[in-house]
Amino acid sequence: QQPVQSPQAVILREGEDAVINCSSSKALYSVHWYRQKHGEAPVFLMILLKGGEQKGHEKISASFNEKKQQSSLYLTASQLSYSGTYFCGTELSGGKLIFGQGTELSVKP
Amino acid sequence: DTAVSQTPKYLVTQMGNDKSIKCEQNLGHDTMYWYKQDSKKFLKIMFSYNNKELIINETVPNRFSPKSPDKAHLNLHINSLELGDSAVYFCASSPLGGGVHNEQFFGPGTRLTVL
Repeated sequence: QQPVQSPQAVILREGEDAVINCSSSKALYSVHWYRQKHGEAPVFLMILLKGGEQKGHEKISASFNEKKQQSSLYLTASQLSYSGTYFCGTELSGGKLIFGQGTELSVKP
Repeated sequence: DTAVSQTPKYLVTQMGNDKSIKCEQNLGHDTMYWYKQDSKKFLKIMFSYNNKELIINETVPNRFSPKSPDKAHLNLHINSLELGDSAVYFCASSPLGGGVHNEQFFGPGTRLTVL
């Protein structure tokens, strides 16, 4: 039931791009993306809804393939502040979010 | 102004004790949640309340009991604490039913250590 994220970890240099994938075995109503810095709370980045609607961060983009039950988060021209653990949350019936295991992103100068 | 606050931030206690964690949100949201994040960072939902009514109750031991005195507060009481309860507990809130098309705002977390 838990979505699977890949990769588990990625190291980037400032300015490089990254893609984080999220895949579910269940039909999805929406996909949420959150970022958590070490020792802090998760912070909302984006929601992707069935039908293509998106809500969220201006500098981060994402896609949602409803048929494949997959979502990808695109981080372009990464900054040091992008470092953290990224979680996708897949919304099942009843409004419950099930989070993936997280992808740890480190951006180096 | 803190949007979602939790107390205490740290909680260290002995096995077998009973403890409570309090959560308050000043965002006017209808829905509040409790999540448990283990040492591997796995973030798992435990409970959800919508306007003081329990709507999500995951497979959680009966030792965990949430209480929502009003829609701005959601407390978590844990009886007979066990070593495996050690984790970070996050409270979150969201407008209009939460996961349904709306972001969740997380509190700072309470790190519970059971000795």
